[in-house]
Amino acid sequence: AQKITQTQPGMFVQEKEAVTLDCTYDTSDQSYGLFWYKQPSSGEMIFLIYQGSYDEQNATEGRYSLNFQKARKSANLVISASQLGDSAMYFCAMSPSNYQLIWGAGTKLIIKP
Amino acid sequence: AAGVIQSPRHLIKEKRETATLKCYPIPRHDTVYWYQQGPGQDPQFLISFYEKMQSDKGSIPDRFSAQQFSDYHSELNMSSLELGDSALYFCASSRQGWSNSPLHFGNGTRLTVT
Repeated sequence: AQKITQTQPGMFVQEKEAVTLDCTYDTSDQSYGLFWYKQPSSGEMIFLIYQGSYDEQNATEGRYSLNFQKARKSANLVISASQLGDSAMYFCAMSPSNYQLIWGAGTKLIIKP
Repeated sequence: AAGVIQSPRHLIKEKRETATLKCYPIPRHDTVYWYQQGPGQDPQFLISFYEKMQSDKGSIPDRFSAQQFSDYHSELNMSSLELGDSALYFCASSRQGWSNSPLHFGNGTRLTVT
């Protein structure tokens, strides 16, 4: 079965600290994509970062990086130098070969000033 | 850069009424997806279209239908609305060949059924 697991329902982090949001996945597909999305309280779904299963290097996008460990089937999101505006719900998602997204339950991140 | 545009942003309907949600994908994106997100839940896939043809179907109720038009915009039609249809409805688009094209979401339509 294909599944995404986010074990942290919520996290509090001090402003300017780095934060790691956990994501593990389960799939028997050889080719897949892993995504992280941010959903602020306003509701929009914002694409953050993507990692392909065949990509050898970890993806990075500004302050976001994806710690991809294929053997362990993990795709943790690392946010460096957190900001108050980073407070949001964060979803890890996987796209198997049929183009749909399988979502994790999300992690609510709250940045403390 | 152009993003996915959804309209309306908010919609209030009564039970048994109908609603139509519209989605304009990012230019040159050939695939459109519809998702439903209930309060405190992750998005649930409803249906997708590739090049104006239905490509995949998820947990879309029979009361809902959708189509993609020649200009690639898509509409989600919802009839006999129920209280449980109250949710945030997202449209997303991507370019075929997902390995380098993530799904980009619109800002969503918040539907409230009273």
